[in-house]
Amino acid sequence: AQKVTQAQTEISVVEKEDVTLDCVYETRDTTYYLFWYKQPPSGELVFLIRRNSFDEQNEISGRYSWNFQKSTSSFNFTITASQVVDSAVYFCALSVDQTGANNLFFGTGTRLTVIP
Amino acid sequence: NAGVTQTPKFQVLKTGQSMTLQCAQDMNHEYMSWYRQDPGMGLRLIHYSVGAGITDQGEVPNGYNVSRSTTEDFPLRLLSAAPSQTSVYFCASSYSMGDTDTQYFGPGTRLTVL
Repeated sequence: AQKVTQAQTEISVVEKEDVTLDCVYETRDTTYYLFWYKQPPSGELVFLIRRNSFDEQNEISGRYSWNFQKSTSSFNFTITASQVVDSAVYFCALSVDQTGANNLFFGTGTRLTVIP
Repeated sequence: NAGVTQTPKFQVLKTGQSMTLQCAQDMNHEYMSWYRQDPGMGLRLIHYSVGAGITDQGEVPNGYNVSRSTTEDFPLRLLSAAPSQTSVYFCASSYSMGDTDTQYFGPGTRLTVL
């Protein structure tokens, strides 16, 4: 069975602070994919990143960075110099390699509030 | 491309009524799915389809039916609405080529069952 845990329910930071959102996953599959989605107050789900289980390289995209560590089954997301526009609910998700079926298992989300 | 579209955006039903949530995509994606989002529970998979004519159940399928007669459309039917089905429903689609590709989500349908 697959499981994603986001232990941080809500986080508040002051603008320009750095913040890390934690994600811990469980799966017995050796091939799997990890995702982060952003859900702003408007409600849509915005894709941020996908990482497969064979690629443990960290990734940086502007102010966003992701730290994937198989040894601890974690896929953490850091926002550097946070901005008010980063206020949203962030979801971590997991998918395993089932041919043709890309079913996502979501964590319960972390609500980030950036205070100006 | 319009991406993934969902209609309606909002709906209020009475207990026992039936309705269909529409989902369409114009990206020629094989894989489509429906999720529901409830407070504190993230998104949970209801049903999914890996191609026209093929559907299967997800984590929470009870009370919902789906069909996939075309690649583009994947409607979700509520047979007899119950208050427990009050939720936000998201449709998603992606390519499916033996590898997991990124799922793109529609804007959601907010359903209230009284």
